[in-house]
Amino acid sequence: EVQLVESGGGLVQPGGSLKLSCAASGFTFSGSAMHWVRQASGKGLEWVGRIRSKANSYATAYAASVKGRFTISRDDSKNTAYLQMNSLKTEDTAVYYCTRLGWAFDYWGQGTLVTVSS
Amino acid sequence: QSALTQPASVSGSPGQSITISCTGTSSDVGSYNLVSWYQQHPGKAPKLMIYEVSKRPSGVSNRFSGSKSGNTASLTISGLQAEDEADYYCCSYAGSSWVFGGGTKLTVL
Repeated sequence: EVQLVESGGGLVQPGGSLKLSCAASGFTFSGSAMHWVRQASGKGLEWVGRIRSKANSYATAYAASVKGRFTISRDDSKNTAYLQMNSLKTEDTAVYYCTRLGWAFDYWGQGTLVTVSS
Repeated sequence: QSALTQPASVSGSPGQSITISCTGTSSDVGSYNLVSWYQQHPGKAPKLMIYEVSKRPSGVSNRFSGSKSGNTASLTISGLQAEDEADYYCCSYAGSSWVFGGGTKLTVL
């Protein structure tokens, strides 16, 4: 059974940092591109960024709204993807999901809530 | 990259069919057959319903179908059931990035 489990969310002040984790199981993590998608309360889904597999040079890409502030990484030995978020703004408040790109975003975690507030 | 355009809400009675549109541009929907649709119930993670415009993942009812014409993709749900009431999001590849629609709330009357 495929599982994606996010962790690391919480309350952080504007300008602060937070690192989210996404632990994967049930599929070949090392061969999969992993993405992060967020959803503010009552709002739609927003693509945040992705990291490709080793075979694709661990290439990353980011949405314009987070570029330069967020960094996605992975540790294939731990089957885990990460989202490092720096210089957080109140508008970054959202549930953050990790998701696998298969034919599309076929598996999703349950999400972790990040609240940026003073 | 601007969000894809979806109607905010649609509704239908049980047994009826509804269609949700998703309008993008020649840089996303119009250029790639990588349009997907997601169903999201309140408090839950999104669920993949359609990928590559019109393909259904294993386990998804054949009441769900997708299509695309030019810069607009569509999701059709036939034989509406109460359990179909949810938010629906389209998504398209946009060349090194991905873009979602704003979401459509489906109400089953």
